[in-house]
Amino acid sequence: GESVGLHLPTLSVQEGDNSIINCAYSNSASDYFIWYKQESGKGPQFIIDIRSNMDKRQGQRVTVLLNKTVKHLSLQIAATQPGDSAVYFCADQKTDSWGKLQFGAGTQVVVTP
Amino acid sequence: GAVVSQHPSRVICKSGTSVKIECRSLDFQATTMFWYRQFPKQSLMLMATSNEGSKATYEQGVEKDKFLINHASLTLSTLTVTSAHPEDSSFYICSARDMYQMNTEAFFGQGTRLTVV
Repeated sequence: GESVGLHLPTLSVQEGDNSIINCAYSNSASDYFIWYKQESGKGPQFIIDIRSNMDKRQGQRVTVLLNKTVKHLSLQIAATQPGDSAVYFCADQKTDSWGKLQFGAGTQVVVTP
Repeated sequence: GAVVSQHPSRVICKSGTSVKIECRSLDFQATTMFWYRQFPKQSLMLMATSNEGSKATYEQGVEKDKFLINHASLTLSTLTVTSAHPEDSSFYICSARDMYQMNTEAFFGQGTRLTVV
């Protein structure tokens, strides 16, 4: 992902609505992409991943979309719940540097009742 | 799932002292671990790649003499912040990759909050 500085964008979502979080990455050689959720004072928690030979992958309540043409990744959360409030990061890596992640700037998701 | 444990979770130290942070893989072996630093409201920035039995690989701009990394076993990497200063105060996070599950994600520790006073 692209870490674009000190500003952490915030997405306010009403409980029950769907959330869409976007991320841009810069390395066209990256072939593995991950979304993480980070709660305050904790380490990143794996949500879902996608490899470059796919453009969509679904998990439980989450969907990741990958557009390699424009180097864009998105995370969709269905029926957002208060427990989804956290900072969400995308990360990318190359196969020959497995585990060495480049993180995006992050998006703060705030779920309101 | 695989567990990575960091210790301590919080530490306060005086300026000029050194502090050691441990990263352990509890149920898998890791030839490679990674150390990240995260300032408030910012993203995680990779500091270095810790390699078991050999020297760590540092990212550009990270002082290897200030952030000493030792990866002496397949389940433990340590990061020592030497001569710490207030600007070193940050959240330090490690991750580890299962050496027998090379194409799965890296697993993260819970982080260590370092405050230098």
